[in-house]
Amino acid sequence: DQQVKQNSPSLSVQEGRISILNCDYTNSMFDYFLWYKKYPAEGPTFLISISSIKDKNEDGRFTVFLNKSAKHLSLHIVPSQPGDSAVYFCVGQGAQKLVFGQGTRLTINP
Amino acid sequence: DTGVSQDPRHKITKRGQNVTFRCDPISEHNRLYWYRQTLGQGPEFLTYFQNEAQLEKSRLLSDRFSAERPKGSFSTLEIQRTEQGDSAMYLCASSLGPGERSGELFFGEGSRLTVL
Repeated sequence: DQQVKQNSPSLSVQEGRISILNCDYTNSMFDYFLWYKKYPAEGPTFLISISSIKDKNEDGRFTVFLNKSAKHLSLHIVPSQPGDSAVYFCVGQGAQKLVFGQGTRLTINP
Repeated sequence: DTGVSQDPRHKITKRGQNVTFRCDPISEHNRLYWYRQTLGQGPEFLTYFQNEAQLEKSRLLSDRFSAERPKGSFSTLEIQRTEQGDSAMYLCASSLGPGERSGELFFGEGSRLTVL
């Protein structure tokens, strides 16, 4: 069963605009939700997290929103920069391990 | 210590052969995780260690797979009698353990396995 779903395999955004990546989940037991970023030939790196008891967390250009009633979270990147081009994974954390979505490939166009 | 290191980065083997991957975590990290990633999918949890104790194994970890962390430092993942379906990227990650900022695992660059 796919506990964390990212339904958009790819997203293309113009430099300077807002990038919005979406994620849905089915497991209500996750304690935290996270976003990881992955460049080619590198391992995933942690980007930002949010506790399941919060609805928003902001860190510089990155903001994560959590809507528990809809079991939906999103990552906003504004303004988008060319270096943001990567694969982004939505992740649920519970029971000491991480559950990853399939990933969304974000491409920032100059 | 610059991060999690994995060796080899790429392994090509014939079906039926055994392979072993090594992971060296960040030195002060107590927890070590193994994940597997196939094309177009996110990483899937395989197993994790708290120091030398293996605390959980996924159903994905068949009896052909074995992981060890003998002294609570580096870890090995061995796959016996490899099958073509084992072809994937094997990712190792580490974290401080209880009390760290939840969910922040530090991943290595991965070991890519190709089974012919």
